[in-house]
Amino acid sequence: GQNIDQPTEMTATEGAIVQINCTYQTSGFNGLFWYQQHAGEAPTFLSYNVLDGLEEKGRFSSFLSRSKGYSYLLLKELQMKDSASYLCAVCYRNTGFQKLVFGTGTRLLVSP
Amino acid sequence: DAMVIQNPRYQVTQFGKPVTLSCSQTLNHNVMYWYQQKSSQAPKLLFHYYDKDFNNEADTPDNFQSRRPNTSFCFLDIRSPGLGDAAMYLCATSRGQGLEPQHFGDGTRLSIL
Repeated sequence: GQNIDQPTEMTATEGAIVQINCTYQTSGFNGLFWYQQHAGEAPTFLSYNVLDGLEEKGRFSSFLSRSKGYSYLLLKELQMKDSASYLCAVCYRNTGFQKLVFGTGTRLLVSP
Repeated sequence: DAMVIQNPRYQVTQFGKPVTLSCSQTLNHNVMYWYQQKSSQAPKLLFHYYDKDFNNEADTPDNFQSRRPNTSFCFLDIRSPGLGDAAMYLCATSRGQGLEPQHFGDGTRLSIL
């Protein structure tokens, strides 16, 4: 089976940096995605990692260590609009198909 | 402009009364997915289509079915909704399988009376 762990909730201050961790145990791992989801809205794609290392996209960066089953999403220069849930999703191969399995998400609250 | 469109945004139905949720896409993507998301839980894949090939998840209840009459449209049919089926239903598309970002619609929130 697939197992993904993320902290349930985090708080941070506007302008700060926050790191959201994700650990996973999975078979047939192909890559890891991060999505942002505001309350009552659809998830939106942020970034993905296939190989070990850091991927940077503006204020957002994501890191992957395949050997450790570990990823993090780094958000810099936090803004109030970054208050949302951040979903870690593992892409894995099963019965010939590649699928995503999502973690339950980390709810981030950014305060002034 | 919305590229994955779900209608309606909110749907209310009665216990046991069949309901259909719809999804359309303007991306011409090959793959379409249906997810169920309950409050404070992860989106859970119900099934997906790769072109016309239908792929059901092993734990998707028999109560849930899907149709994809053409590339652009996909429907989720719930034959006899129970109270436990109240959730947000998310449609997503991707160009191919695997390491392709999925693009989500805004979802349909289903309530059961």
